[in-house]
Amino acid sequence: QVQLVQSGAEVSQPGASVKVSCRTSGYAFTGYSIHWVRQAPGQGLEWMGRISPNTGATNYAQTFQGRVTVTRDTSLTTVYMELSRLMSDDTALYFCARALLLPGYYYPLDVWGQGTTVTVSS
Amino acid sequence: DIQMTQSPSSLSASVGDRVTITCQASQDISNSLNWYRQEPGKAPKLLIYDASHLATGVSSRFGGSGSGSDFSFTISSLQPGDIGTYYCQQNHNLPYTFGLGTKLEIK
Repeated sequence: QVQLVQSGAEVSQPGASVKVSCRTSGYAFTGYSIHWVRQAPGQGLEWMGRISPNTGATNYAQTFQGRVTVTRDTSLTTVYMELSRLMSDDTALYFCARALLLPGYYYPLDVWGQGTTVTVSS
Repeated sequence: DIQMTQSPSSLSASVGDRVTITCQASQDISNSLNWYRQEPGKAPKLLIYDASHLATGVSSRFGGSGSGSDFSFTISSLQPGDIGTYYCQQNHNLPYTFGLGTKLEIK
């Protein structure tokens, strides 16, 4: 079955970087974009960016431009999200999710990973 | 960016009640509107896509309507397992944006 399995919880210091992985299985990896969405404690959902696994092309939310990098390893069908220059406000639950990838249209997020808790603390 | 205004922010209803949540986009998004339900600490689950289409395996008690900038989500007969927070989200353009959520509780 379709699965997105994320790496485990992370604790990082302010100013450091964190890299979260999203291992996919059960579907055609290059047929779906992978998006990253985060949720701060007690808050709503915030879209961070996406990658098209076929080309490696990325799009990022303006809020995270220059701090977030999304990459993929097609041989491992895995996507990575790295967030740099961490601040305490980056403490959140980070989700990956897939959306169908076809030109000219954007699609809903139909399957989600289980989430990865990132805690930024000194 | 497209802003999504969702209301109410919280809702308490009885089992069997009909429940409605609304969502307004800051511009015309056609029917590019989705609804998700999230339980605490868990990933959101897609319920409705393209404003009115039921996602696979989702109960027919859930429904959606609207187009342009005004949308609504309905639970026809509330069940105890429906508690959680519901979010609308637009996929008309990047960046994807979400409403602030509606926390649904049982009275």
